[in-house]
Amino acid sequence: AQSVTQPDIHITVSEGASLELRCNYSYGATPYLFWYVQSPGQGLQLLLKYFSGDTLVQGIKGFEAEFKRSQSSFNLRKPSVHWSDAAEYFCAVGRNTGGFKTIFGAGTRLFVKA
Amino acid sequence: DAGVTQSPTHLIKTRGQHVTLRCSPISGHKSVSWYQQVLGQGPQFIFQYYEKEERGRGNFPDRFSARQFPNYSSELNVNALLLGDSALYLCASSLERADTQYFGPGTRLTVL
Repeated sequence: AQSVTQPDIHITVSEGASLELRCNYSYGATPYLFWYVQSPGQGLQLLLKYFSGDTLVQGIKGFEAEFKRSQSSFNLRKPSVHWSDAAEYFCAVGRNTGGFKTIFGAGTRLFVKA
Repeated sequence: DAGVTQSPTHLIKTRGQHVTLRCSPISGHKSVSWYQQVLGQGPQFIFQYYEKEERGRGNFPDRFSARQFPNYSSELNVNALLLGDSALYLCASSLERADTQYFGPGTRLTVL
């Protein structure tokens, strides 16, 4: 069965420090991959996506992610975190079987300290 | 540009009641999907509708149903509410059936 694993339930980084959020997926074919961000009580905002092509993708708000097929990973990075980046981050796989469904990981809560 | 809109924002119901949630997709988007997000978890897929037909269904009981209208808006209906149905219900729209999904702000349902 397809699954998405985000090994870190929560991460705390200092403002201005770099960030890497980990994501591993289990999927037979080349997946559609996404990162979404959710602020408390809000819906999900798309940060970036990978369908094919260049394995390093740029997103909004200075985020980037790298698809590594050999490691089944799609880690999210940002070189310098801002206090406003504090939120819940979800990695997701798009599966086109029985309808197109987005399968989400459990999320990583990011805390930013001054 | 208007994003995905959902109504109502919040809703409180009691066990056994029925609820209808509404979603308007981004203009031009033909597909609407529904997700349930229980507190502390990632969203779980409920339905996808494309061109007014159900195209996919997640592992949810028959108490959950949905439909899509000619203007591509959608309703999610839940009958015989249970306490465990308390969650944030998210609607997502996409241009085509297999495409990036853009999410609305959600409807927070509380069942007492």
